[in-house]
Amino acid sequence: DAKTTQPPSMDCAEGRAANLPCNHSTISGNEYVYWYRQIHSQGPQYIIHGLKNNETNEMASLIITEDRKSSTLILPHATLRDTAVYYCIVWKTTGNTGKLIFGQGTTLQVKP
Amino acid sequence: GAVVSQHPSWVICKSGTSVKIECRSLDFQATTMFWYRQFPKQSLMLMATSNEGSKATYEQGVEKDKFLINHASLTLSTLTVTSAHPEDSSFYICSAQGRETQYFGPGTRLLVL
Repeated sequence: DAKTTQPPSMDCAEGRAANLPCNHSTISGNEYVYWYRQIHSQGPQYIIHGLKNNETNEMASLIITEDRKSSTLILPHATLRDTAVYYCIVWKTTGNTGKLIFGQGTTLQVKP
Repeated sequence: GAVVSQHPSWVICKSGTSVKIECRSLDFQATTMFWYRQFPKQSLMLMATSNEGSKATYEQGVEKDKFLINHASLTLSTLTVTSAHPEDSSFYICSAQGRETQYFGPGTRLLVL
């Protein structure tokens, strides 16, 4: 699976949009971009995923560049409860049994 | 969304004893489940892939005789840490493969004294 690069940490003011970048320049055509987050001492929580089109759900939006080499996760109105480590993972879901490999992620600190 | 549970949520044991951790998918069936380990201030490390009705596949460097995995049904996988030692103290997390993604359990914190 392709590797990803994320900034180690980011701050965001409460109520503002949090934009978390991810580079995945070696992504291949059948690999999806997945985002998970892990709040302290909990299991990871699925956020969103996409292949090449932008996606939006109740939690976040995912913007994938046209060449698919990078993406941005957007939390439109960050709250204190969004403070967590955010993982961007490129995953080939062939047969839905592929392994998720976690990098170091971005620690997002939402401040009042 | 799909729910995955783990039991126990935390356990303290003496060195040399064995500890069993259960992972259950509560509202869906999972042919494949995964076991991860996470040390403080580190990311999740995949330990093994658990397949229902067959032997688990272990990642390089993970001792299969020390970390016994059983996936006896489509909703239950167990991880047994045999002859636990203080260096096995960690946060153990399971996940279950859903239709499009993996759903994670809340984790089990193991402390070996």
